[in-house]
Amino acid sequence: IQLTQSPSFLSASVGDRVTITCRASQDIGSYLAWYHQKPGNAPKLLIYAASTLKSGVPSRFSGSGSGTDFTLTISRLQPEDFATYYCQQLTTYPITFGQGTRLEIK
Amino acid sequence: QVQLVQSGPEVRKPGASVTVSCKSSGYTFTDYSVYWLRQAPGQRLEWMGWINTDNGDTKYSQTLQGRVTIIRDTFANTAYMQLTSLTSEDTAIYYCARGGISMIGTTAHGWVDPWGQGTLVTVSS
Repeated sequence: IQLTQSPSFLSASVGDRVTITCRASQDIGSYLAWYHQKPGNAPKLLIYAASTLKSGVPSRFSGSGSGTDFTLTISRLQPEDFATYYCQQLTTYPITFGQGTRLEIK
Repeated sequence: QVQLVQSGPEVRKPGASVTVSCKSSGYTFTDYSVYWLRQAPGQRLEWMGWINTDNGDTKYSQTLQGRVTIIRDTFANTAYMQLTSLTSEDTAIYYCARGGISMIGTTAHGWVDPWGQGTLVTVSS
């Protein structure tokens, strides 16, 4: 299953609301997770089951969608949110990831 | 706290093999699976396989089938990933990660968290 994220690159300011989209090549139900990764660090889980926030993740993060179209929204960007974001599908082997969305400070 | 600590960086020549270890702490090792993933320069994250740490069952990526082996030592709370017949295309950061399942309603949803710190494997002649 191919996952395509858009945009691949996003420039935004602290306090902005941003949305990242992940489109699957076939129906994956709600078996989608979102991660973020900062340079030199491992990815960290933000959301699983498309919209369930991992415990401890700030509520400014939210996820939605099912089937083939999913979104990750950050309501008010904080300085620590500038990172690369990945979606991941866990419905079918091989487990696959999107190509990533790099979120940078404007 | 839950932690997965991987072994250090490795350099190998083409055709060689490499083994990366992943020691878990802060939780019951056999209650969760261990995933192995890698991230090559400029490439998207790639799932390599996983192991059921309770019974040792494994599932591997078909693209790596025959070259990758994942095992675990339940006494040491450690999982191992061996990759053979290395080429320059295997140069990457290799990650282990804990895999779990949460029930949402009547549906089981998988997740992968946390990840180890990563191990850089460089394949070069």
